[in-house]
Amino acid sequence: AQSVTQLDSQVPVFEEAPVELRCNYSSSVSVYLFWYVQYPNQGLQLLLKYLSGSTLVKGINGFEAEFNKSQTSFPLRKPSVHISDTAEYFCAVGPRGYQKVTFGTGTKLQVIP
Amino acid sequence: NAGVTQTPKFRVLKTGQSMTLLCAQDMNHEYMYWYRQDPGMGLRLIHYSVGEGTTAKGEVPDGYNVSRLKKQNFLLGLESAAPSQTSVYFCASSYPIAGGPTGELFFGEGSRLTVL
Repeated sequence: AQSVTQLDSQVPVFEEAPVELRCNYSSSVSVYLFWYVQYPNQGLQLLLKYLSGSTLVKGINGFEAEFNKSQTSFPLRKPSVHISDTAEYFCAVGPRGYQKVTFGTGTKLQVIP
Repeated sequence: NAGVTQTPKFRVLKTGQSMTLLCAQDMNHEYMYWYRQDPGMGLRLIHYSVGEGTTAKGEVPDGYNVSRLKKQNFLLGLESAAPSQTSVYFCASSYPIAGGPTGELFFGEGSRLTVL
């Protein structure tokens, strides 16, 4: 079985400041890793994914994440946030070869003008 | 291209009533999933399907049933609704690479269910 931990339930940050959202996972097998974003009253959409290859992954809207196998982490970063980045962000893990994807409990990013 | 469509988007039920949520996808995806989202708990997998005619239990399957009679549709049923099933339900679909799913999920917009 796998699990995902997002330690921060809410992260306030001023506009144009950098942000990092933490994500740690555990799994007994190799995994795929994902970050999804959910805007209010909408479904989730994929921000970025790590399947294999380079551990630095770039996604939409200027976000990036870096897979760290030794620390079992996949933090999401953006160098300069915008008001429109206010949303809830979910880290997810999917074991290779299996069908089930497990989500973290989410981090609400609040960008302050 | 509609992607993943869920109906209805809102529903209010009384305890003990039954209902079915319909999920339809037009991307020819093999895998389909039902999640529920509750505050502070993220998304929890209810049931999933790896192909037409097959279903499997997720983390929180009790009180729910599913069917996948056609590849493009995945139905979630509540036979006797309980207040604990008040939630937002999301359907998602995915496609395989190298013999297994990518895990990249395409979500519907959600169905908000309230059980009184």
